[in-house]
Amino acid sequence: SQTIHQWPATLVQPVGSPLSLECTVEGTSNPNLYWYRQAAGRGLQLLFYSVGIGQISSEVPQNLSASRPQDRQFILSSKKLLLSDSGFYLCAWSQGASPLHFGNGTRLTVT
Amino acid sequence: DQQVKQNSPSLSVQEGRISILNCDYTNSMFDYFLWYKKYPAEGPTFLISISSIKDKNEDGRFTVFLNKSAKHLSLHIVPSQPGDSAVYFCAASLGNFNKFYFGSGTKLNVKP
Repeated sequence: SQTIHQWPATLVQPVGSPLSLECTVEGTSNPNLYWYRQAAGRGLQLLFYSVGIGQISSEVPQNLSASRPQDRQFILSSKKLLLSDSGFYLCAWSQGASPLHFGNGTRLTVT
Repeated sequence: DQQVKQNSPSLSVQEGRISILNCDYTNSMFDYFLWYKKYPAEGPTFLISISSIKDKNEDGRFTVFLNKSAKHLSLHIVPSQPGDSAVYFCAASLGNFNKFYFGSGTKLNVKP
């Protein structure tokens, strides 16, 4: 069966520091991969999605970037965090005509 | 511009009664709709889906209804249980399944 791992679960970072969140999927190949963010009191905002290695589509211009160095690995990064980057970050995967499957999320607090 | 909207941020229902969660969308090209359930500090979990060629899909206590002419879908939970208390998100996808658009969520509270 397929599983998705996302880490860390929580992270507190100062403003201006870099960020790296990692997500890996097991049990499938060539999945679509996604990064979503849930800001406090708001819905799920699609940040990036990828349909293959090295293929990244950005949904909103912002302080973040994403990379897919391997088929089942998706990384969310920032060179310098802003206070507004605080939120709950979710990695997800899908394949074919299947629903999205989410990881357990990372709670990021920028101080 | 949000293409999927959940206009009720919260809903409170008595245990055993029906919960009805609503969702509206603006893009008529959406052809696959989903409902997710989310507990605090966890990722959303898939609940039920419906294709645009159907108007109803049922799975146990959960039924999703789709009204394409009104661009509206709803999730019915019967009977509601305290364990159903969570935030419910509706989502929609275009035919290529590459992007999923989510509503802002409705927090359901089922009172014992």
